[in-house]
Amino acid sequence: AQSVAQPEDQVNVAEGNPLTVKCTYSVSGNPYLFWYVQYPNRGLQFLLKYITGDNLVKGSYGFEAEFNKSQTSFHLKKPSALVSDSALYFCAVRSSGTYKYIFGTGTRLKVLA
Amino acid sequence: DTAVSQTPKYLVTQMGNDKSIKCEQNLGHDTMYWYKQDSKKFLKIMFSYNNKELIINETVPNRFSPKSPDKAHLNLHINSLELGDSAVYFCASSPQQDRPTDTQYFGPGTRLTVL
Repeated sequence: AQSVAQPEDQVNVAEGNPLTVKCTYSVSGNPYLFWYVQYPNRGLQFLLKYITGDNLVKGSYGFEAEFNKSQTSFHLKKPSALVSDSALYFCAVRSSGTYKYIFGTGTRLKVLA
Repeated sequence: DTAVSQTPKYLVTQMGNDKSIKCEQNLGHDTMYWYKQDSKKFLKIMFSYNNKELIINETVPNRFSPKSPDKAHLNLHINSLELGDSAVYFCASSPQQDRPTDTQYFGPGTRLTVL
């Protein structure tokens, strides 16, 4: 069965510091991994995805994520956090032969000025 | 132009009523979804349609009935509303059902409050 874990309910980081939001997954077959962001009272917006190839994926708003097959992880990172990055972040996984996207429970990122 | 739109944005109603939420996408996608986001922000898939055909039907009470008149529209009708139905409902679409690399595009959500 597919699953996604986001072990932290909330991550606090000071503005200008690097941030990491963690995600681990479990699938049979090749994983396709996604990060979405949800701002208050808004729908989810796509940030980036890993399909194949380079393990470091770059996405919107300066975010990037590193795919690590041996650790089954896909952590979201940004070198320098902005207050405007404060939002709810969801990791999702899908694999070949399945129709469903499986979402993690979300991590609330709070960037402090 | 809004890619995935939902109406209404807010819906407040009494227990026992029947209500509908509408979703439209102008992206030309084949596949559409309904998700429920509860008060803890957990996101759960409810239904998925591909070209007007139901392909995912999670364990959802049969008071919830999706309808897809064409591939650009996926509506959600809820009968006999209960307090536990209060949540934010998101519609989403993706280009094709069987291409796992596709990105999903989400609507702005409908906040349903059952009193």
